[in-house]
Amino acid sequence: EDQVTQSPEALRLQEGESSSLNCSYTVSGLRGLFWYRQDPGKGPEFLFTLYSAGEEKEKERLKATLTKKESFLHITAPKPEDSATYLCAVTGNQFYFGTGTSLTVIP
Amino acid sequence: GAVVSQHPSRVICKSGTSVKIECRSLDFQATTMFWYRQFPKQSLMLMATSNEGSKATYEQGVEKDKFLINHASLTLSTLTVTSAHPEDSSFYICSARRQGNNEQFFGPGTRLTVL
Repeated sequence: EDQVTQSPEALRLQEGESSSLNCSYTVSGLRGLFWYRQDPGKGPEFLFTLYSAGEEKEKERLKATLTKKESFLHITAPKPEDSATYLCAVTGNQFYFGTGTSLTVIP
Repeated sequence: GAVVSQHPSRVICKSGTSVKIECRSLDFQATTMFWYRQFPKQSLMLMATSNEGSKATYEQGVEKDKFLINHASLTLSTLTVTSAHPEDSSFYICSARRQGNNEQFFGPGTRLTVL
């Protein structure tokens, strides 16, 4: 059964404290893994697409990596404005979303 | 590029009325559009997938007669919640995908409150 699991469910970091969010997946015929950021009351904002194991993408303080079983979203020296829910999604036969990690960065 | 808009952003209606939500891809042609709903502190739940010019494909448990979807052009899809009830109150989000591309770009969402 295709499945996407994100951990932790919630994460509180001090400003400048780097960490990683995890997205584990089991999907038949992965055609892409996506990271989105969602702010309260808004639609998800596209961050990255990863297609194959070993691939990495970076944008400002965020870096996404992919293996055959999971993806990590690394946040380096986060700032309060990075506080949001980060969603992972995969495309196999369908598009599956994880339940997200709620990140709070404390000044 | 890849901007998706939704209208309205918020709607409050009385029980029994119908509500139409529009989803537009502003700077690209979307061969496929998706409709999701999201309850507080939960992830997005796919309701239906619509391809331009054809009938929408609904996920299991989603009533197609209650949630009418029309994808009449490559830039516009509409979701009509018919005879809305308080349990239909939710955050409805659409997304759009270009032909030959796996990425989905999301609209800002519509908050529906049914009194």
